[in-house]
Amino acid sequence: EPEVTQTPSHQVTQMGQEVILRCVPISNHLYFYWYRQILGQKVEFLVSFYNNEISEKSEIFDDQFSVERPDGSNFTLKIRSTKLEDSAMYFCASSARGQATNEKLFFGSGTQLSVL
Amino acid sequence: QKEVEQDPGPLSVPEGAIVSLNCTYSNSAFQYFMWYRQYSRKGPELLMYTYSSGNKEDGRFTAQVDKSSKYISLFIRDSQPSDSATYLCAMSGATNKLIFGTGTLLAVQP
Repeated sequence: EPEVTQTPSHQVTQMGQEVILRCVPISNHLYFYWYRQILGQKVEFLVSFYNNEISEKSEIFDDQFSVERPDGSNFTLKIRSTKLEDSAMYFCASSARGQATNEKLFFGSGTQLSVL
Repeated sequence: QKEVEQDPGPLSVPEGAIVSLNCTYSNSAFQYFMWYRQYSRKGPELLMYTYSSGNKEDGRFTAQVDKSSKYISLFIRDSQPSDSATYLCAMSGATNKLIFGTGTLLAVQP
C-alpha cells in the first residue's frame, strides 16, 4: 500500500532555532496536511494545502509556521524560531481529494520534535 | 464544553470480547465521522468513515452515528490482541479540518 514518508523521525533543536520537517506525500495526491500531537494530548490540525496555497489553517499556525511544496514530491513544514511548547509529534497527511468529500487521509509515521 | 470528548481509558478486555468505544461532540455542523487506530510511534490509520447518522459495518468493526444525541460509537467484535492500540474518533464539517478526540487506549489480553 502507498504510504506517506516523513523525515527525520526525531529532530532535536535548541529554542529559537529554525527547523524544517519534511514529508513525501503519496504521489497522486493533491491535498496535503500537517497535524501535531503534544504528548498526552489530542491530535490537532495545523494546516491544509492545495494547489500550491494554504486552504485552511488553525490558530496554532501563526507567523512562525510556514509550509511549502518546493518540488513535485516534497511537502515541508518550517518553524522559524522554535519554542519549548512546539515540542510535539508532527504528522503529515495527504489525500487524493478534499476531506469533505468522503476521502481517506493517509498519515505518515510522524516526526518527534524536541525543543530544548 | 469540549468540541469532542472521548474517554481516554485505558480499557482492558479479554480476547474475544466485544469492545465499545464512544465519543460525544458539541458542534452540530459535523457531518463526517471517523475512527482511527494509532499504534505506538505510528500515525493514525483510518478504520471507519461515516457520513451523517446511521451504521456502517466492515468485518469485525461497526461504526454508529447518532446525530440527534451527538454521539458516535465503534464496536469491535471478537477482539484480538492485535487490536490493542489507541482508538481516535475524529469528525469534520464542510472543511478539510479534522477534530480529534483524545483517544482511548485499548488493551486486548490473550
